[in-house]
Amino acid sequence: DGGITQSPKYLFRKEGQNVTLSCEQNLNHDAMYWYRQDPGQGLRLIYYSQIVNDFQKGDIAEGYSVSREKKESFPLTVTSAQKNPTAFYLCASSITRRDEQYFGPGTRLTVT
Amino acid sequence: DAKTTQPPSMDCAEGRAANLPCNHSTISGNEYVYWYRQIHSQGPQYIIHGLKNNETNEMASLIITEDRKSSTLILPHATLRDTAVYYCIVRVAKSRDVSWTSGSRLTFGEGTQLTVNP
Repeated sequence: DGGITQSPKYLFRKEGQNVTLSCEQNLNHDAMYWYRQDPGQGLRLIYYSQIVNDFQKGDIAEGYSVSREKKESFPLTVTSAQKNPTAFYLCASSITRRDEQYFGPGTRLTVT
Repeated sequence: DAKTTQPPSMDCAEGRAANLPCNHSTISGNEYVYWYRQIHSQGPQYIIHGLKNNETNEMASLIITEDRKSSTLILPHATLRDTAVYYCIVRVAKSRDVSWTSGSRLTFGEGTQLTVNP
Protein backbone atom coordinates (compact mmCIF):
# COMPACT_ATOMS: atom_id res chain seq x y z
CA ASP A 1 0.00 0.00 0.00
CA GLY A 2 1.14 3.54 -0.66
CA GLY A 3 1.81 5.83 2.22
CA ILE A 4 4.20 7.70 4.42
CA THR A 5 6.28 6.04 7.07
CA GLN A 6 8.08 7.65 9.95
CA SER A 7 10.39 5.83 12.26
CA PRO A 8 10.76 5.30 15.07
CA LYS A 9 7.43 6.10 16.74
CA TYR A 10 9.15 7.05 19.99
CA LEU A 11 12.70 8.36 20.31
CA PHE A 12 14.68 9.29 23.40
CA ARG A 13 17.92 11.25 23.38
CA LYS A 14 20.23 13.00 25.79
CA GLU A 15 20.57 16.75 25.60
CA GLY A 16 23.42 17.87 23.34
CA GLN A 17 23.06 15.01 20.88
CA ASN A 18 21.95 15.41 17.29
CA VAL A 19 19.17 13.08 16.21
CA THR A 20 17.78 12.27 12.75
CA LEU A 21 14.13 11.46 12.16
CA SER A 22 13.23 9.34 9.15
CA CYS A 23 10.44 10.06 6.66
CA GLU A 24 9.82 7.92 3.59
CA GLN A 25 6.96 8.01 1.08
CA ASN A 26 6.05 5.76 -1.82
CA LEU A 27 3.26 7.95 -3.15
CA ASN A 28 5.47 9.47 -5.85
CA HIS A 29 4.76 12.90 -4.37
CA ASP A 30 7.06 15.76 -5.29
CA ALA A 31 6.57 17.89 -2.18
CA MET A 32 7.42 16.92 1.39
CA TYR A 33 7.11 18.76 4.70
CA TRP A 34 8.14 18.60 8.33
CA TYR A 35 5.95 19.95 11.11
CA ARG A 36 6.37 20.17 14.84
CA GLN A 37 3.47 19.90 17.29
CA ASP A 38 3.63 20.77 20.98
CA PRO A 39 0.98 19.59 23.48
CA GLY A 40 -2.40 21.24 22.94
CA GLN A 41 -1.19 23.27 19.99
CA GLY A 42 -1.49 23.23 16.25
CA LEU A 43 1.24 22.27 13.78
CA ARG A 44 4.14 24.53 12.91
CA LEU A 45 6.09 24.19 9.68
CA ILE A 46 9.81 23.48 10.06
CA TYR A 47 11.03 22.81 6.49
CA TYR A 48 9.53 21.88 3.16
CA SER A 49 10.81 20.63 -0.16
CA GLN A 50 9.14 20.84 -3.55
CA ILE A 51 11.71 18.88 -5.55
CA VAL A 52 14.80 16.77 -5.03
CA ASN A 53 17.90 18.69 -3.89
CA ASP A 54 15.85 21.74 -2.99
CA PHE A 55 14.21 22.77 0.29
CA GLN A 56 13.07 25.94 2.05
CA LYS A 57 12.80 27.02 5.66
CA GLY A 58 9.41 27.10 7.25
CA ASP A 59 8.36 29.16 10.25
CA ILE A 60 10.59 27.53 12.88
CA ALA A 61 13.68 26.19 11.06
CA GLU A 62 16.28 27.26 13.64
CA GLY A 63 18.04 24.27 15.17
CA TYR A 64 16.90 21.89 12.43
CA SER A 65 18.38 20.68 9.16
CA VAL A 66 17.04 18.58 6.28
CA SER A 67 18.18 16.93 3.07
CA ARG A 68 16.32 15.78 -0.02
CA GLU A 69 18.67 13.54 -1.95
CA LYS A 70 15.90 11.22 -3.10
CA LYS A 71 12.28 11.90 -4.00
CA GLU A 72 11.09 9.30 -1.52
CA SER A 73 13.04 10.50 1.51
CA PHE A 74 13.14 13.71 3.55
CA PRO A 75 15.06 13.15 6.82
CA LEU A 76 15.02 15.78 9.55
CA THR A 77 17.97 16.32 11.88
CA VAL A 78 17.27 17.93 15.23
CA THR A 79 20.55 19.51 16.25
CA SER A 80 21.85 20.40 19.68
CA ALA A 81 21.16 24.04 18.78
CA GLN A 82 17.41 23.43 19.04
CA LYS A 83 16.54 24.76 22.49
CA ASN A 84 13.32 22.82 23.08
CA PRO A 85 13.49 19.69 20.93
CA THR A 86 10.97 17.58 22.86
CA ALA A 87 7.86 17.46 20.65
CA PHE A 88 5.74 15.41 18.25
CA TYR A 89 7.21 15.57 14.74
CA LEU A 90 5.06 15.00 11.68
CA CYS A 91 6.12 14.47 8.09
CA ALA A 92 3.77 15.05 5.17
CA SER A 93 3.79 14.93 1.38
CA SER A 94 1.65 16.25 -1.44
CA ILE A 95 1.45 16.16 -5.21
CA THR A 96 2.85 19.35 -6.65
CA ARG A 97 0.02 21.70 -7.56
CA ARG A 98 -2.36 19.85 -5.26
CA ASP A 99 -3.08 20.87 -1.71
CA GLU A 100 -4.15 17.72 0.07
CA GLN A 101 -1.27 16.77 2.32
CA TYR A 102 -0.87 13.18 3.47
CA PHE A 103 0.68 12.79 6.89
CA GLY A 104 2.78 10.08 8.44
CA PRO A 105 2.06 8.65 11.91
CA GLY A 106 4.58 10.93 13.60
CA THR A 107 7.63 10.52 15.81
CA ARG A 108 7.48 11.56 19.44
CA LEU A 109 10.94 12.83 20.45
CA THR A 110 11.90 13.23 24.09
CA VAL A 111 15.18 14.89 24.99
CA THR A 112 16.34 14.83 28.61
CA ASP B 1 -3.47 33.50 4.27
CA ALA B 2 -6.63 34.46 6.12
CA LYS B 3 -6.94 33.73 9.84
CA THR B 4 -9.61 31.35 11.08
CA THR B 5 -11.51 31.17 14.37
CA GLN B 6 -12.94 27.93 15.75
CA PRO B 7 -14.48 27.01 19.11
CA PRO B 8 -11.96 25.15 21.27
CA SER B 9 -14.25 22.21 21.98
CA MET B 10 -17.60 20.63 21.10
CA ASP B 11 -19.54 17.55 22.12
CA CYS B 12 -21.82 15.40 20.01
CA ALA B 13 -23.91 12.30 20.65
CA GLU B 14 -23.04 9.17 18.70
CA GLY B 15 -25.22 8.81 15.62
CA ARG B 16 -26.17 12.48 15.52
CA ALA B 17 -24.81 15.08 13.11
CA ALA B 18 -21.77 17.03 14.23
CA ASN B 19 -21.68 20.62 12.95
CA LEU B 20 -18.30 22.30 13.35
CA PRO B 21 -18.22 26.04 12.66
CA CYS B 22 -15.34 28.14 11.39
CA ASN B 23 -15.13 31.91 10.94
CA HIS B 24 -12.84 33.34 8.27
CA SER B 25 -14.08 36.90 7.89
CA THR B 26 -10.89 38.12 6.14
CA ILE B 27 -10.96 35.47 3.44
CA SER B 28 -10.09 36.75 -0.01
CA GLY B 29 -11.60 35.76 -3.34
CA ASN B 30 -8.94 33.23 -4.33
CA GLU B 31 -8.68 31.47 -0.98
CA TYR B 32 -10.08 28.01 -0.35
CA VAL B 33 -11.38 26.55 2.91
CA TYR B 34 -9.74 23.26 3.93
CA TRP B 35 -10.60 20.90 6.77
CA TYR B 36 -8.25 18.39 8.35
CA ARG B 37 -8.65 16.32 11.49
CA GLN B 38 -6.16 14.78 13.88
CA ILE B 39 -6.97 11.80 16.02
CA HIS B 40 -4.93 11.73 19.21
CA SER B 41 -1.22 10.96 18.65
CA GLN B 42 -1.69 10.42 14.92
CA GLY B 43 -0.91 12.52 11.85
CA PRO B 44 -3.61 14.85 10.51
CA GLN B 45 -5.99 13.56 7.86
CA TYR B 46 -7.40 15.59 4.98
CA ILE B 47 -11.22 15.75 5.02
CA ILE B 48 -12.53 18.17 2.41
CA HIS B 49 -12.03 21.57 0.83
CA GLY B 50 -14.08 24.12 -1.10
CA LEU B 51 -14.10 27.59 -2.62
CA LYS B 52 -17.71 28.85 -2.58
CA ASN B 53 -19.99 25.99 -3.49
CA ASN B 54 -21.03 23.42 -0.92
CA GLU B 55 -19.02 20.22 -1.17
CA THR B 56 -19.70 16.64 -0.11
CA ASN B 57 -17.58 13.53 -0.06
CA GLU B 58 -17.64 10.18 1.69
CA MET B 59 -16.39 11.69 4.93
CA ALA B 60 -18.25 14.97 5.34
CA SER B 61 -20.09 17.95 3.89
CA LEU B 62 -18.79 21.49 3.75
CA ILE B 63 -21.24 24.38 3.80
CA ILE B 64 -19.81 27.81 2.94
CA THR B 65 -21.92 30.92 3.49
CA GLU B 66 -22.72 33.11 0.52
CA ASP B 67 -20.39 35.88 1.74
CA ARG B 68 -17.71 33.20 2.38
CA LYS B 69 -16.95 34.65 5.82
CA SER B 70 -17.79 31.40 7.59
CA SER B 71 -18.24 27.72 6.96
CA THR B 72 -19.51 24.58 8.67
CA LEU B 73 -18.14 21.07 8.47
CA ILE B 74 -20.87 18.48 8.89
CA LEU B 75 -20.29 14.89 9.91
CA PRO B 76 -23.77 13.47 9.22
CA HIS B 77 -23.68 10.48 11.58
CA ALA B 78 -20.88 10.91 14.08
CA THR B 79 -19.21 7.82 15.51
CA LEU B 80 -16.85 7.39 18.43
CA ARG B 81 -13.98 7.18 15.93
CA ASP B 82 -14.73 10.74 14.82
CA THR B 83 -13.43 12.05 18.14
CA ALA B 84 -10.52 14.23 17.08
CA VAL B 85 -9.23 17.78 16.74
CA TYR B 86 -10.67 19.40 13.61
CA TYR B 87 -8.70 22.12 11.85
CA CYS B 88 -10.18 24.72 9.53
CA ILE B 89 -7.53 26.25 7.24
CA VAL B 90 -7.85 28.99 4.67
CA ARG B 91 -5.30 29.43 1.93
CA VAL B 92 -4.76 30.02 -1.75
CA ALA B 93 -4.87 26.76 -3.67
CA LYS B 94 -1.41 25.92 -4.88
CA SER B 95 -2.43 25.90 -8.51
CA ARG B 96 -3.31 29.57 -8.13
CA ASP B 97 -0.08 30.56 -6.39
CA VAL B 98 1.94 33.15 -8.24
CA SER B 99 5.10 32.13 -6.48
CA TRP B 100 5.97 28.45 -6.64
CA THR B 101 8.56 28.87 -3.95
CA SER B 102 5.82 29.29 -1.36
CA GLY B 103 5.11 25.59 -1.32
CA SER B 104 1.84 24.15 -0.17
CA ARG B 105 1.93 25.79 3.22
CA LEU B 106 -0.86 24.90 5.61
CA THR B 107 -1.16 27.05 8.73
CA PHE B 108 -2.70 24.94 11.47
CA GLY B 109 -4.31 26.79 14.37
CA GLU B 110 -5.50 25.09 17.54
CA GLY B 111 -8.66 23.63 16.00
CA THR B 112 -11.81 22.27 17.66
CA GLN B 113 -11.66 19.21 19.90
CA LEU B 114 -14.75 17.21 18.95
CA THR B 115 -15.76 14.56 21.46
CA VAL B 116 -18.38 12.06 20.34
CA ASN B 117 -20.16 10.54 23.32
CA PRO B 118 -21.89 7.12 23.40
